[in-house]
Amino acid sequence: DVKVTQSSRYLVKRTGEKVFLECVQDMDHENMFWYRQDPGLGLRLIYFSYDVKMKEKGDIPEGYSVSREKKERFSLILESASTNQTSMYLCASSYSISPLHFGNGTRLTVT
Amino acid sequence: AQRVTQPEKLLSVFKGAPVELKCNYSYSGSPELFWYVQYSRQRLQLLLRHISRESIKGFTADLNKGETSFHLKKPFAQEEDSAMYYCALSAQGGSEKLVFGKGTKLTVNP
Repeated sequence: DVKVTQSSRYLVKRTGEKVFLECVQDMDHENMFWYRQDPGLGLRLIYFSYDVKMKEKGDIPEGYSVSREKKERFSLILESASTNQTSMYLCASSYSISPLHFGNGTRLTVT
Repeated sequence: AQRVTQPEKLLSVFKGAPVELKCNYSYSGSPELFWYVQYSRQRLQLLLRHISRESIKGFTADLNKGETSFHLKKPFAQEEDSAMYYCALSAQGGSEKLVFGKGTKLTVNP
């Protein structure tokens, strides 16, 4: 069974801090994604990656960056956290045209 | 641009009643459509995809290209069906760049 692991379940950071959200998958999937999930807004794609060192912007990339140095790991970086980035962040992976497999999510609070 | 609309934020039915969660999409090509579900305190997971044409947990969904809809249906709802349901569209025939609707929270009352 595919396992997508997000390093933190809950995270509290201060405004202006640099924040790293880590995601690891164990199934050698090519594709990895970062979404944010907000009530009433659904899931919105932040960034995705088709391969190591490759990244593409999703629908809401502003204020975020990503890193994919190894195939199994996809990191989301908030360069300077702001209160409007308080949200649930979901990582997902997939192989080719297979369905997405999601992690448990990281609930980030920026105060 | 692709768009997925789920008109109901909340849907409440009684156990044993039929349930239909609506999903409409906007896309000029041939989409691939999915339903994802998130039960309380669990991760988001695939429920079904239209190309599979299968029934999962009693749920079915039919792609209607004329009405650009992909409604999720179950003839007899169960309490364990209570969850958040998301309809999603892939324009490239795969899971890359899925566009999600805003979700419908289904509550099945005893």
